[in-house]
Order: sequence, then C-alpha cells, then structure tokens
Amino acid sequence: DAGVIQSPRHEVTEMGQEVTLRCKPISGHNSLFWYRQTMMRGLELLIYFNNNVPIDDSGMPEDRFSAKMPNASFSTLKIQPSEPRDSAVYFCASTLGAAGEQFFGPGTRLTVL
Amino acid sequence: GDSVTQMEGPVTLSEEAFLTINCTYTATGYPSLFWYVQYPGEGLQLLLKATKADDKGSNKGFEATYRKETTSFHLEKGSVQVSDSAVYFCALGTQGGSEKLVFGKGTKLTVNP
Repeated sequence: DAGVIQSPRHEVTEMGQEVTLRCKPISGHNSLFWYRQTMMRGLELLIYFNNNVPIDDSGMPEDRFSAKMPNASFSTLKIQPSEPRDSAVYFCASTLGAAGEQFFGPGTRLTVL
Repeated sequence: GDSVTQMEGPVTLSEEAFLTINCTYTATGYPSLFWYVQYPGEGLQLLLKATKADDKGSNKGFEATYRKETTSFHLEKGSVQVSDSAVYFCALGTQGGSEKLVFGKGTKLTVNP
C-alpha cells in the first residue's frame, strides 16, 4: 500500500518565484498536515485539514503561504512570492481520527536562491 | 496548553551503550504518547506509542513507559547500534480532542562504532 506521496522531492527556485508543493495522503485518511522543518526552528506545523476543511492555520508564516485541499486525495502548499528564508524541508502527513498515528511523506527539500 | 519537553541533544554514544532520552509532557485530559524517529534524509516514522497510563510501548529494542505520576515517557534502549543514529521526537495527542500532535524539539542521536 502506498504511503503519503509528495512531489517534487527537491525544488530549487529563485527568489520571487511561485512554488507549489503537492501531497497525496494515504487513502481513507481524513486529516492532512503540512509541516516545515529547519535547523533553526525544528519541526513546525503550518496547517492541517480535517475532511478537506482547514482547521488550524495558525502556523502559516504569512500571507505568502496558502494551502488547499480540493478533495480527499490531494493537497497543495503554495508560496508566492518565495524568499530565501523559506528554504526548508516541507513534510506532509496524514492520519485517521483524533490523536492517531501520523504517517509522514518523504518531504520536499525547497531551496530558494 | 499542551506541550512536550525533550532532553536537548545532541547525544553521542558508542555502539552497545545504554540509551535514555528523556521526555516529559503537560496536557489536559488523557493524552496518547508517541516516539517518532527520523533517519537522515527521510520523513518521521512512528517508533512506538502508548495510549494510557502504565502502558509500555516497544519496537526494535526501544521501550518507553507512560508514567502519569511523573508525566513522563522516556525512551530507552539497552544496546544501541550505529543504525540507530537518527533524530528522535516525542509527541502527544489528546484523545477526543484535536487531530494534531504536539511534538518535542527532537533529540539527535549519533552512535559511533
């Protein structure tokens, strides 16, 4: 059974460009999470969805970041315009039910030059 | 609010040494507790969990016991291997509450041959 799928695995872009990260959760899971990981700040929860509805976006850094979940099998995290300080590894995770095990994808390593 | 405190790393051990990584928590209600492991270049994956007081989670030689009286969930392994080198995260989830997990900052473990 496929796990959480993220694409691309690596992204290098220039400052000011739009970046879109993609995630396919595990089939049947009803909650999806976007995290950012950096050496300085560690693992941060950006936003999470339950049944495709955004529940908590308090971790989204600023208006340049937006996330959508148009259906149960797909989510995007968009950064527009991107800045060098956005360079990080972005993880998507999914789960079924409250306080359950979260399954993480392999991450997208974003470098903004 | 809910929080998790882990011992700061990095931790460096020789092969076959005994490992303890301390984790304490603050939570309302009766949380589930988790240890996740992140190997280099990968996403987080569940190592073990416990859902109620006095439960012991175990996997791959690692153990942790849910201690409600000391609000702790310390990770232990009797004899570490080089392949255990990774970052370890303690986390909690509140039963009947939010779907999100609260993670500690992570502890990097390096095991030398």
